[in-house]
Amino acid sequence: KNQVEQSPQSLIILEGKNCTLQCNYTVSPFSNLRWYKQDTGRGPVSLTIMTFSENTKSNGRYTATLDADTKQSSLHITASQLSDSASYICVVSAIPGGFKTIFGAGTRLFVKA
Amino acid sequence: DTEVTQTPKHLVMGMTNKKSLKCEQHMGHRAMYWYKQKAKKPPELMFVYSYEKLSINESVPSRFSPECPNSSLLNLHLHALQPEDSALYLCASSQGLAGGHWNEQFFGPGTRLTVL
Repeated sequence: KNQVEQSPQSLIILEGKNCTLQCNYTVSPFSNLRWYKQDTGRGPVSLTIMTFSENTKSNGRYTATLDADTKQSSLHITASQLSDSASYICVVSAIPGGFKTIFGAGTRLFVKA
Repeated sequence: DTEVTQTPKHLVMGMTNKKSLKCEQHMGHRAMYWYKQKAKKPPELMFVYSYEKLSINESVPSRFSPECPNSSLLNLHLHALQPEDSALYLCASSQGLAGGHWNEQFFGPGTRLTVL
């Protein structure tokens, strides 16, 4: 069964600290993995997208890694800011079609001053 | 233009009303999507259009009727909704439905729908 599991479910960190969010998937055959940031009541915003051959991708203070062998991905946030408080969603697409898109339940991150 | 726009931002409707949600993108994308998202849950796929043709209907009740007038526009017509249909409705687009980076989806800000 195609599944995407994220951990932790929620996380509280102090402003300026780093954190790492995890995503494990069983989606097969794999097409791509995306990380989105979603503020409450708003649409998800794409942070990174990685295909099978890409094992790391950075976007400012966000760095995503992908291990296609173990089917794991992580999103590392450096020097967190209050504005990083949001849900972070891992999304995996399967071949063929691409519209076989499986969403993780998300990690809710709270950054406190 | 690298964004997906949605109107209205908020919509309150009665169960007997007919209303429409609108979505627009000018990125030249040929695939467009409607999602429904309940609070603290991930988005659930409703419909997918590819080259203006309906490709996927995820067993959505007929009170939701999608329409793709052209490659830039996507509508969702609403009729006789139930209170449990209250949710955030998200539109997304991608270059296409193929693999790799081709199906990276860009989301609009959503329409917050409340059914009374």
